[in-house]
Amino acid sequence: GIQVEQSPPDLILQEGANSTLRCNFSDSVNNLQWFHQNPWGQLINLFYIPSGTKQNGRLSATTVATERYSLLYISSSQTTDSGVYFCAALGNTPLVFGKGTRLSVIA
Amino acid sequence: KAGVTQTPRYLIKTRGQQVTLSCSPISGHRSVSWYQQTPGQGLQFLFEYFSETQRNKGNFPGRFSGRQFSNSRSEMNVSTLELGDSALYLCASSLDPSGITDTQYFGPGTRLTVL
Repeated sequence: GIQVEQSPPDLILQEGANSTLRCNFSDSVNNLQWFHQNPWGQLINLFYIPSGTKQNGRLSATTVATERYSLLYISSSQTTDSGVYFCAALGNTPLVFGKGTRLSVIA
Repeated sequence: KAGVTQTPRYLIKTRGQQVTLSCSPISGHRSVSWYQQTPGQGLQFLFEYFSETQRNKGNFPGRFSGRQFSNSRSEMNVSTLELGDSALYLCASSLDPSGITDTQYFGPGTRLTVL
C-alpha cells in the first residue's frame, strides 16, 4: 500500500514566522488531505488537494502529484496554529496517514 | 449542517470486557470509516462501511467489528478488551459513493482507556 512520510516531525516557531511542512507519498493518489489535530483530538480538515494549489487565509497547500509530494505553508503563524498536522493519502487502499508534524508556536 | 458526532466521548473499561462505540455521520453522507489512533502506531484504518456493507477492512484482529444501519449511523465493537486497545477512536464520513475522491470529515473521537 501507499507509504506516507511527513517532515519535519517537530517544529518550533516564534509567533509571526512562516513554515513549510512536507508530505511525501510512495504511489499515485486519488485523494490527498491535510488535517490539523487540536489538543482535544479533533481532526480538522484543512485542504483536500490531490493536485494543484489552494489557499485559505494564512494557509496554503500545493500538491505535485507527478513528483509525489505535497507542501503545507503556514504564514504569520499564531499560537492557535499549534498542534499536530497530518497529511493523508488514498490510492487503491483506504486513507493512509503520515505520522504528523508537531508544531509549537511560541508567543 | 451538523458535523460528525461520536458517543461516548470518554470510556473506561477493564480487560476482558467489550465496548460499543457509536458514530453519526453528516446528514446525507453514506460512507463511514473508523480509525484507531495510538501514540505508538499513529492513525490506522479499521474499516469502512457504505450502504450497510463493509467495503474495506484494515489489518486488525477479529475482536474489532462494526456495522452500519440504514440511516448510515455506524457502531464499532471491540470484544475481549486488551490494554493495547486503549486509544482514541475516530470516525469519519464522506459523501462520495466510490469512497475514493471525496473529503473525509472526522468526528471528535471516543477516548477509550482499558485498565
